Amino acid sequence: SAVISQKPSRDICQRGTSLTIQCQVDSQVTMMFWYRQQPGQSLTLIATANQGSEATYESGFVIDKFPISRPNLTFSTLTVSNMSPEDSSIYLCSVALAGAYNEQFFGPGTRLTVL
Amino acid sequence: KNQVEQSPQSLIILEGKNCTLQCNYTVSPFSNLRWYKQDTGRGPVSLTIMTFSENTKSNGRYTATLDADTKQSSLHITASQLSDSASYICVVSARGGSQGNLIFGKGTKLSVKP
Repeated sequence: SAVISQKPSRDICQRGTSLTIQCQVDSQVTMMFWYRQQPGQSLTLIATANQGSEATYESGFVIDKFPISRPNLTFSTLTVSNMSPEDSSIYLCSVALAGAYNEQFFGPGTRLTVL
Repeated sequence: KNQVEQSPQSLIILEGKNCTLQCNYTVSPFSNLRWYKQDTGRGPVSLTIMTFSENTKSNGRYTATLDADTKQSSLHITASQLSDSASYICVVSARGGSQGNLIFGKGTKLSVKP
């Protein structure tokens, strides 16, 4: 298994500002992802965080709005830029461990409220 | 279009009772199906993972079933406890996709009352 921590656990921000969320894993992992979970909705994949190269973004998500860094195999950051109230969500970091199922483990999430 | 639909959307049961949550999917090609439990304010935690060849898998009081022919899965919770109050999310992985290619259901919110 993998133990994942995220900082901050929650934050309240003003519109137009940016917030950087940190994700730390207790072991080296190749596959790391960022998800968004809007109120009452299922998880939506934002991007795959690639170590040493640019993140791979899903349709509807762009690097200017959600820049991602992955400096090594245990750490990643997601920035939510120029926030609006529509960005209020839970942001989750996850990792997949290589194996028969490529099982994914999720961090505790960061609850973001934009006023 | 790959989709995962769960029912009911929410459920309230009394402590000690059993319940069954449903998941229907239209994901192809199918790789595996996962059930996650998500406590309020926490990230999802895996309960079971099943491949095409597995039709039942248990994890304590949680038993998941899979019918790959009808593309249906269920999660049965036995002798519910207050700590079972959470959202239960059905997730299907498509074969051949990227490692992030998981299709998430919206979840069933279970409330267990004393």
